[in-house]
Amino acid sequence: AQSVTQLDSQVPVFEEAPVELRCNYSSSVSVYLFWYVQYPNQGLQLLLKYLSGSTLVKGINGFEAEFNKSQTSFHLRKPSVHISDTAEYFCAVVLSHGQNFVFGPGTRLSVLP
Amino acid sequence: EPEVTQTPSHQVTQMGQEVILRCVPISNHLYFYWYRQILGQKVEFLVSFYNNEISEKSEIFDDQFSVERPDGSNFTLKIRSTKLEDSAMYFCASSDGSARGADTQYFGPGTRLTVL
Repeated sequence: AQSVTQLDSQVPVFEEAPVELRCNYSSSVSVYLFWYVQYPNQGLQLLLKYLSGSTLVKGINGFEAEFNKSQTSFHLRKPSVHISDTAEYFCAVVLSHGQNFVFGPGTRLSVLP
Repeated sequence: EPEVTQTPSHQVTQMGQEVILRCVPISNHLYFYWYRQILGQKVEFLVSFYNNEISEKSEIFDDQFSVERPDGSNFTLKIRSTKLEDSAMYFCASSDGSARGADTQYFGPGTRLTVL
């Protein structure tokens, strides 16, 4: 079965600083990878996804993620964060032939002024 | 932009009572899902639904749970006899099914269920 690890439960960072949120997964078969963001009192919103092709994926709000097959990682990055990026970020995988997402535990990003 | 909606936003119930959580998926979507998130824990898959039947379900989705699409727009999750451990945020999601596992699932804002 697949699993997803997000090692950092909380990441505080100052405004305009760069940030990296880490995601590692384990699966014996090929998967698709997703990052979702959850703003306070809202549902999950897709940031970006990796299906195939270029390992660097660009998403909304200036976020990008890089798929690294050898390290089974899909870390999320942003070169300069804003206060409005404060939210919970979830990494998720789904089997290439499947449907249901397996989510990581989430990373709470707090952007400080 | 079309979005998934869920009602109510917060439901409080007594242990042993039945609850129905409601979702209106995006109108042209074909796949529907329920997930839950117990406070402080990760989002967990419960069930997926396609063509008026369950296509996948997790071990969490036992006989106490059922799903239904009673009309052309609503998708419901029923918990027959709630337990304290059912307290969680329940998310509905939908996808258009065009790309199977590569589908983007669109999530609703969630219903917070509190069982007393």
